[in-house]
Amino acid sequence: QVQLQESGPGLVQPSQTLSLMCTVSGASITSDNYHWTWIRQPAGKGLEWIGRISSSGSTSYNLSLKSRVIMTLDTSKNQFSLRLTSVTATDTAVYYCARGDYGGNPFFDIWGPGTLVTVFS
Amino acid sequence: QSVLTQPPSASGTPGQGVTISCSGSGSSIRSNYVYWYQQLPGTAPRLLIYRNNQRPSGVPGRFSGSKSGTEASLAISGLRSDDEAVYFCASWDDRLSGPVFGGGTNLTVL
Repeated sequence: QVQLQESGPGLVQPSQTLSLMCTVSGASITSDNYHWTWIRQPAGKGLEWIGRISSSGSTSYNLSLKSRVIMTLDTSKNQFSLRLTSVTATDTAVYYCARGDYGGNPFFDIWGPGTLVTVFS
Repeated sequence: QSVLTQPPSASGTPGQGVTISCSGSGSSIRSNYVYWYQQLPGTAPRLLIYRNNQRPSGVPGRFSGSKSGTEASLAISGLRSDDEAVYFCASWDDRLSGPVFGGGTNLTVL
């Protein structure tokens, strides 16, 4: 049974960097069949795709966030990470990691429970 | 402002059917598959429909999806109280080169 779990600080100060990790169990992040994805949801609002990373480490980011996002793989720990720089209050949201299909379509079949990140001083 | 447009709310009574719409454009829904997600309160979204009308294993046949042109729909028959949730549509957008979502429809079962 594949499971994903987000972890990281729940509070980040403005202009600082948000860093989250997603730990994958029950599957290898080096599998060629999937992308590993980050999606966020501000309170009471819709979903926003942040970006994805493939098993080989190639990335694709939301154009509106591209200048501030970095995603990486840690194959030794079966984890992938999200770094979002220069955060503001508008980055406050629940952040989800999810497994997506290799085609890049919004086929996200496994999700983590989500973690709330609040940007405030 | 979401790229795909959904009505903010919908409602029905137990046993009835309800349809939720999702409007896109030529660069999104017309050219690509549509996906639907169900988000129960306080939980992560769950994949409900993929490739316009396919159900993952475990999703009841009461849920069905369709697409025509730049519009897509999610139909739920035989409404149950535990269908109360927010439903999101999603698609790939060729112009934005990434997945896009609707703003979500909050379904109330009266």
